[in-house]
Formats: sequence, C-alpha cells, structure tokens
Amino acid sequence: QQQVKQSPQSLIVQKGGISIINCAYENTAFDYFPWYQQFPGKGPALLIAIRPDVSEKKEGRFTISFNKSAKQFSLHIMDSQPGDSATYFCAAGGTSYDKVIFGPGTSLSVIP
Amino acid sequence: EPEVTQTPSHQVTQMGQEVILRCVPISNHLYFYWYRQILGQKVEFLVSFYNNEISEKSEIFDDQFSVERPDGSNFTLKIRSTKLEDSAMYFCASRGGGTGSSYYGYTFGSGTRLTVV
Repeated sequence: QQQVKQSPQSLIVQKGGISIINCAYENTAFDYFPWYQQFPGKGPALLIAIRPDVSEKKEGRFTISFNKSAKQFSLHIMDSQPGDSATYFCAAGGTSYDKVIFGPGTSLSVIP
Repeated sequence: EPEVTQTPSHQVTQMGQEVILRCVPISNHLYFYWYRQILGQKVEFLVSFYNNEISEKSEIFDDQFSVERPDGSNFTLKIRSTKLEDSAMYFCASRGGGTGSSYYGYTFGSGTRLTVV
C-alpha cells in the first residue's frame, strides 16, 4: 500500500518537446508529492512538489498535475532541453510518514 | 544554499569489515534520514531519526545497521559486518521541523558509494 508506481522507465524527447512522466500511488494518507531530479553521481535534488489541495503547480518549465480521485500525478517538462537529461523520481510522503517513498525512476534523455 | 555533506564520497571495504558513513545535515534541521540506492535501482528508505532516537526503520535496516548523532552536528550510519549486497550509494537527508514548507523540505546529500569486495 505504500508503493509508488512510475512510468515510463525511460523516455527520449527531442529538444523543445514536452516530457511527461506519470506516477500513481495507493495510500490515501499521503499528502506530499515531490519530484526529484538526479544526475549521475549526485543525490536526488528536489525539483518541485505538490500538496493534494491543489490540482496543478507550475515552476518555470516544470508542472505537476495532480488527480486526487485517481491517485495519480504527473510531471510535465515544457521546452525540454539537453540539460534536463537525468533520472526523475516521483515520491510520496506526508505528515503521517516520517519518510518519502520513491518511485522506481524515469531516465530522461533530451536529444538535440 | 545550505547543503547536506557526506563523507567519504567513495568507500571500498572488504566483506565482513565495519564501515561508518558520515553526514553533516543542515544545521537547523531536526529530522535525519538514510536512504540507499543500489546501482540503477530506486532509492530505498533505511531509517529516520529524530530527537536522538530512531523514529522508523525499514526491513533493510537490520541488526547490522546502526545510526548515531554523536555530537549534535554529525549523523552516522554504521554497518557492522558488511556483505557484498550492501554495495550501493548511501544518501543522507535532513529536513526542518515546524510547519509549512520547511516541514517537507527534504535535502539530500551527494551520497557515499560503498563498494564491498
């Protein structure tokens, strides 16, 4: 019940395109949904996060869409750039959990 | 921007040896964590630590593992007798307490790559 599912496992997008990564969770007690970006040899870095009281949050080229009834959330990267090439992890956590549960990750490659 | 600092960046150890991974969390943070990532796999929760005691641990965190905050600034993970399957990246994380965005703001270090041979 604490599992976070993520798809696709890998994604190739042309420069300037939109990258979309989807996640789903089961436990309705989760109330914090962050996305982490990880470059090789580095730790996960918080990219953007959303609480379930809003359906969308945008920061620059990054947007989280959240569907509480479907227990799904997604990351959209607009105008994808080669520098966005990294592994992206969705995660879930919240006030009832003293941790975040990570999804399995999506390897994004943005090609020129 | 405040950082979580981990040392060493890479540790090679022989099977059966003890290792200590070190972390310096962000100074005003109250909650501390260890996660691990086996190469190419997802980031897995190991243990959380608050108020000088473990608040939660995963199935991975067995009797071979221990954590300590010895001096109010460092946070360590000890593996008593390493096994080959302990080879992984180990990430320390911390977050602030209180309410609002600081409650959720987990910051991860760059990790220690542990190789057990």
